[in-house]
Amino acid sequence: AQSVAQPEDQVNVAEGNPLTVKCTYSVSGNPYLFWYVQYPNRGLQFLLKYITGDNLVKGSYGFEAEFNKSQTSFHLKKPSALVSDSALYFCAVINGGATNKLIFGTGTLLAVQP
Amino acid sequence: ETGVTQSPTHLIKTRGQQVTLRCSSQSGHNTVSWYQQALGQGPQFIFQYYREEENGRGNFPPRFSGLQFPNYSSELNVNALELDDSALYLCASSLDREFYGYTFGSGTRLTVV
Repeated sequence: AQSVAQPEDQVNVAEGNPLTVKCTYSVSGNPYLFWYVQYPNRGLQFLLKYITGDNLVKGSYGFEAEFNKSQTSFHLKKPSALVSDSALYFCAVINGGATNKLIFGTGTLLAVQP
Repeated sequence: ETGVTQSPTHLIKTRGQQVTLRCSSQSGHNTVSWYQQALGQGPQFIFQYYREEENGRGNFPPRFSGLQFPNYSSELNVNALELDDSALYLCASSLDREFYGYTFGSGTRLTVV
């Protein structure tokens, strides 16, 4: 069965420093991977996706993610964190088939200190 | 182009009651998926509707049911509410079940007391 793991409940980083939010996955077949961000009392906003192609995927707000097949990872990165990046981040994988439902990790809270 | 709209934004119900949550899909989208996000958890798939038919269901009991209307808007109904049903309920729409084009609404916060 498809699954996603986000090993860190919280990541703390100083503004201006690079940030990484970790995600590992387990799928049968080709992985289709996503990152979403959730601000307080809001829904999910799409950041980026990996379907096929280049292992480095660029997304919204300066975020990028690196797909690593051998390590089954899809870590989210940003070269320089902003205080406004503070939010809850979810990694997700598609469970293929007729439904194409998203399977989410438990989320990582990113706290960027000024 | 409008996004996904959910109503109400907040709701408080008593255990044992019934609740209906509503979702208007993004213009041009014909597929609606519902997710439950309990506090401190990632969203969990409830079910999906495609062209007014249920098109897949997660591990939720039958007291969770839904509808999709000809205009592709959708309802989520929950009967016999339990305290554990307290959660943020998210609706996502897409076109033809495409997995790379989900648009999420802001959710309905349901509190069962």
